[in-house]
Amino acid sequence: QKEVEQDPGPLSVPEGAIVSLNCTYSNSAFQYFMWYRQYSRKGPELLMYTYSSGNKEDGRFTAQVDKSSKYISLFIRDSQPSDSATYLCATRNTGGFKTIFGAGTRLFVKA
Amino acid sequence: EAQVTQNPRYLITVTGKKLTVTCSQNMNHEYMSWYRQDPGLGLRQIYYSMNVEVTDKGDVPEGYKVSRKEKRNFPLILESPSPNQTSLYFCASSPYSVRSARYEQYFGPGTRLTVT
Repeated sequence: QKEVEQDPGPLSVPEGAIVSLNCTYSNSAFQYFMWYRQYSRKGPELLMYTYSSGNKEDGRFTAQVDKSSKYISLFIRDSQPSDSATYLCATRNTGGFKTIFGAGTRLFVKA
Repeated sequence: EAQVTQNPRYLITVTGKKLTVTCSQNMNHEYMSWYRQDPGLGLRQIYYSMNVEVTDKGDVPEGYKVSRKEKRNFPLILESPSPNQTSLYFCASSPYSVRSARYEQYFGPGTRLTVT
């Protein structure tokens, strides 16, 4: 079993839709959670990070962590064509030296 | 501008010909790392470095070497490349240290390597 599982998609939505991207993880020691966005032919860029459980909001993006079910989500409101990219979830344990990445979900937002 | 740079961006080489991919960051980060990205497998860590002269293996270190002689540079060395090392490689740096609980990473633009 992979330590972080992420549906590769692709996920195709119309402009303006609410997008839900999800990952599950296996190690309860993971406490730090991140979402990266990767455009084609570019390196991943950090979108959001959160520690432990709960929600964190930044503009149109909301990151949610449910530690009881080992489930992390990224919600994108009012999605735009410029949001079309691959979204990678990532996690690590506190004090750990390695970040574990999901395989990424490809998102297409159609105008 | 804060950034991580990698060179070259594209490289086609032949089996067994030693190569080096350079990585440099200007953010004074102690932590640096190399990843390879393959379809369906996501990002897998090759090596990481906690500081100058401190390096350790990631999940897929076989066939790779690294060195960290200066804080800003972290080159990736393939002594004898093989076709299974054809991949997209990313260097990353992070403000993480033993004094800082900052785990986010900043990635370079990537190096697409093809070994024939």
